[in-house]
Amino acid sequence: SQQGEEDPQALSIQEGENATMNCSYKTSINNLQWYRQNSGRGLVHLILIRSNEREKHSGRLRVTLDTSKKSSSLLITASRAADTASYFCATPNDYKLSFGAGTTVTVRA
Amino acid sequence: DAGVIQSPRHEVTEMGQEVTLRCKPISGHNSLFWYRQTMMRGLELLIYFNNNVPIDDSGMPEDRFSAKMPNASFSTLKIQPSEPRDSAVYFCASRPGTGDTGELFFGEGSRLTVL
Repeated sequence: SQQGEEDPQALSIQEGENATMNCSYKTSINNLQWYRQNSGRGLVHLILIRSNEREKHSGRLRVTLDTSKKSSSLLITASRAADTASYFCATPNDYKLSFGAGTTVTVRA
Repeated sequence: DAGVIQSPRHEVTEMGQEVTLRCKPISGHNSLFWYRQTMMRGLELLIYFNNNVPIDDSGMPEDRFSAKMPNASFSTLKIQPSEPRDSAVYFCASRPGTGDTGELFFGEGSRLTVL
């Protein structure tokens, strides 16, 4: 079952712009993870934020977590063509990791 | 490290045929997962192994699906007989810990088309 739901479903931006996508989830979590999937490839882990963290940075990525609202956001700054991909949030439930439907990001040159 | 290795990358078969997908997890990883990805249903967890033992197969759609992990470096997912609705991308993923909730390492997937 899908625990996290991303919004928007799709996003098209110009190279150099920022891209923001959101994830909402339903139950209590101890961490939330974001993954990227390029077309025809497997998922790649981007960043993990723990429930006691509010914000985390990794390169051009910034992730926030609001446990009171059960939501997270992923911001990609200064986007590049190579950022074109689908992005998924994932939440653990025991040993399982449940993925949302994803946000498809297209970065136009 | 070579990462999680899956084979075949692409498989086209006819309805009723047996399909076997293979996975080699990252060495030292104790947990192995099989996921299925479709446009309609997204990523679905099929089965989870820990230390080569199937712990949760509640996501396996029906008896036509079976999975094995004979040793720590090899797992198979078998569909017999295959049906057109089994067409999907099947991913294998592994994780270092036992009972961990950390990141998963995915293979590149096996794209299955059943005609």
